[in-house]
Amino acid sequence: DAKTTQPTSMDCAEGRAANLPCNHSTISGNEYVYWYRQIHSQGPQYIIHGLKNNETNEMASLIITEDRKSSTLILPHATLRDTAVYYCIPSGGSNYKLTFGKGTLLTVNP
Amino acid sequence: NAGVTQTPKFRVLKTGQSMTLLCAQDMNHEYMYWYRQDPGMGLRLIHYSVGEGTTAKGEVPDGYNVSRLKKQNFLLGLESAAPSQTSVYFCASRNDRRHNTEAFFGQGTRLTVV
Repeated sequence: DAKTTQPTSMDCAEGRAANLPCNHSTISGNEYVYWYRQIHSQGPQYIIHGLKNNETNEMASLIITEDRKSSTLILPHATLRDTAVYYCIPSGGSNYKLTFGKGTLLTVNP
Repeated sequence: NAGVTQTPKFRVLKTGQSMTLLCAQDMNHEYMYWYRQDPGMGLRLIHYSVGEGTTAKGEVPDGYNVSRLKKQNFLLGLESAAPSQTSVYFCASRNDRRHNTEAFFGQGTRLTVV
């Protein structure tokens, strides 16, 4: 399974963009990059995923480098409710599993 | 749709007792997963299933058994509970790899073993 490296924690001011990086240098060609977040002790929530191209939905944007070894999740206008632990997870293809690492604790400050 | 439902939501067990946690999904998903989350840590995969009648071990399978007799249900069993199994347990389901869609999670079961 591809290993991921994320910062342990990050801070962001409310209303500003939050950019969360993830290194996944061992990702295989048919694995997607998924992003989830967990708010307090709730069940994880899906945010976005992509294979090669950049993706955008109503929650966030995902930028994947051309070599696919890293990606960045962008929350364009962070709010206090975006305070959570964010996980990037390579999965798909022959990798059936969804393996969580330690993630990044994003704290959005007023 | 209810999505992913976990039963029970809370439980206190005595050491040595057994119990079964139920995960039910109504989305006709092929893949299902059981995780545990200890305080201050990420989710760790216990067991998973890629279809009815199949199960496989995850990162921390010891002390747990699972069954997937029906596609919509994934059961997690503790035969002889230990205090080290005190944790929050999450279940998830997702469609198969042809669709590469997201996983949906239940709200968790808080288990305390005393």
